[in-house]
Amino acid sequence: DAGVTQSPTHLIKTRGQQVTLRCSPKSGHDTVSWYQQALGQGPQFIFQYYEEEERQRGNFPDRFSGHQFPNYSSELNVNALLLGDSALYLCASSSWAHGGYTFGSGTRLTVV
Amino acid sequence: ILNVEQSPQSLHVQEGDSTNFTCSFPSSNFYALHWYRWETAKSPEALFVMTLNGDEKKKGRISATLNTKEGYSYLYIKGSQPEDSATYLCAPNTNAGKSTFGDGTTLTVKP
Repeated sequence: DAGVTQSPTHLIKTRGQQVTLRCSPKSGHDTVSWYQQALGQGPQFIFQYYEEEERQRGNFPDRFSGHQFPNYSSELNVNALLLGDSALYLCASSSWAHGGYTFGSGTRLTVV
Repeated sequence: ILNVEQSPQSLHVQEGDSTNFTCSFPSSNFYALHWYRWETAKSPEALFVMTLNGDEKKKGRISATLNTKEGYSYLYIKGSQPEDSATYLCAPNTNAGKSTFGDGTTLTVKP
């Protein structure tokens, strides 16, 4: 099953460090969106990549950056980690033309 | 930023009860609305995508309606079962790409 895969599944980092999360989209999807889900809240939109460009961005600081590769996979980078960055990071892939997300299982980031 | 509100925030029902919850969103520039079910320790799973005013979708005991003019969608579960326990998220789109999620309604069905 060529669903959305995210790596790693869990990660523990220290304040001030940098982290890279990875996502491979579902086969046939060309768009990758990243969401942050804090405890008790719905997913908050970070940004979206299509055709290797950031197309839309939510209300997140520049410490959050990303990249999309020619094979449609994507990375989320967070610099200068804060305790408040501890959350579940979800990657969702979709077709730019049709919308509708397929989610990965997420990466649980803990900043200590 | 699209303001999406879901209510209630949480709901506890007995097995066999029917239940419904609401998703409210700005009615301007509507493109589509997605409902997802998110079970603990799993990824959100797509339930419905709705695009037209008056749309009704059904999947087993779960159904949804859409009113794009007034900006709301209802999700109904008939005869709730313990396996229906999950967080239900709605996500309207104002364009083809990005979904904005509500905080969800967490449903707990007691046997």
